[in-house]
Amino acid sequence: DIVMTQSPDSLAVSLGERATINCKSSQSVLYRSNNKNYLAWYQQKSGQPPKLLIYWASTRQSGVPDRFSGSGSGTDFTLTIGSLQAEDVAVYYCQQYYSTPPTFGQGTKLEIK
Amino acid sequence: EVQLLESGGDLVQPGGSLRLSCVVSGFTFSNYAMNWVRQAPGKGLEWVSAISGSGGSTYYADSVKGRFTISRDNSKNTLYLQMNSLRGEDTAVYYCARSVVVVAATGYFEYWGQGTLVTVSS
Repeated sequence: DIVMTQSPDSLAVSLGERATINCKSSQSVLYRSNNKNYLAWYQQKSGQPPKLLIYWASTRQSGVPDRFSGSGSGTDFTLTIGSLQAEDVAVYYCQQYYSTPPTFGQGTKLEIK
Repeated sequence: EVQLLESGGDLVQPGGSLRLSCVVSGFTFSNYAMNWVRQAPGKGLEWVSAISGSGGSTYYADSVKGRFTISRDNSKNTLYLQMNSLRGEDTAVYYCARSVVVVAATGYFEYWGQGTLVTVSS
């Protein structure tokens, strides 16, 4: 199984500042034949199910604010929130879908400083 | 509007059985692979099982293989998870999720239900 490791485990950022969450996979999730990274990001607010933010490492899901962006390739990925809003307080997860079973990172808890 | 609604969660003794259901609406159910993903209290997300749109292909996490069975009834727009030989470590909120198929019958999870809580305890 591919192991996904996120850093940091928790993060406190001031309103309006940038938040950066990292995700590393134990093997590459880049599929050479189509040059796509099989990596998604989710947001989970307290008491709610996860919500898809980003797929193919950098494609924003419909309706997701453009302050959320994804980058990276191969084994190293980043979720960036460009200007933190109060409603962004949540736990964020990365997930690989390069191989079965799909696996998630352990989560990063984002709070307001 | 896509909606997924799970039910069937309960308190069950170790070694017991439970069947979860997920009724969907807002899309053509048979066109999509479906998954169960669980989350233990205060913990992260763990994929449990997936099934193809036709129901002909199924996939399981090693942690549940041989104990859980995923199935679907496309005439009823309903996904199921039969859970047998339940253990304490199966305690979790179980979510059904529609996936965009990339590998096997799973991929990234586009829509999620609200979840149903399964507690395994004596």
